[in-house]
Amino acid sequence: EVQLLESGGALVQFGGSLRLSCAASGFTLSNYAISWVRQAPGKGLEWVSLITGSGGNTYYADSVKGRFTISRDNSKNTLYLQMNSLRVEDTAVYFCARGDSSGGAFDYWGQGTVVTVSS
Amino acid sequence: QLVLTQSPSASASLGASVKLTCTLNSGHSIYSIAWHQQQPEKGPRYLMRLYSDGRHIRGDGIPDRFSGSSSGAERYLTISSLQSEDEADYYCQTWATGIVVFGGGTKLTVL
Repeated sequence: EVQLLESGGALVQFGGSLRLSCAASGFTLSNYAISWVRQAPGKGLEWVSLITGSGGNTYYADSVKGRFTISRDNSKNTLYLQMNSLRVEDTAVYFCARGDSSGGAFDYWGQGTVVTVSS
Repeated sequence: QLVLTQSPSASASLGASVKLTCTLNSGHSIYSIAWHQQQPEKGPRYLMRLYSDGRHIRGDGIPDRFSGSSSGAERYLTISSLQSEDEADYYCQTWATGIVVFGGGTKLTVL
């Protein structure tokens, strides 16, 4: 059974840092592109970042470029999101999602981890 | 720029059918999309991939009450025999190299 389990969410002060993890099971992480997606309170889904299966390519939304870094450890079947220079507007539930075999559609989602940035 | 547009809300009666719309912006009418459901206080769930020709591939365990269709730049999600648990937010998603885009979501109320 495919599962994604996020962790690492916390309350952090403005300007602080946090690292989120996404543990994958039921499939081989290196075979799939994985994204981080966030949802601010009462708002819709916002794509944050993507890393390809090989890990060779990473992409970011303009809102986080230069502050967030996505990475993966295929030996641990785990994805990470390092978040620096956090802003109040980064407050959200953060989900990891797997791209399907064709790469684009997100066919599995985690349950999310909550990040709150206080001023 | 890749943009998806959804109506903010929709409603339909228990047992009826409803058709939700997701519109691709100009120049992107051939793009495939995905539909996702998010029930209250839960993470999103993948419903299907929908191609520009109307073919759709449902996700694991998704009942055939959920179907997709396409016309030009419009992508549709039809839910038949509405049940109370179908009351949720529905998001469309598309992608290109280096970017993923979501529509704003449609909140479906089952009356």
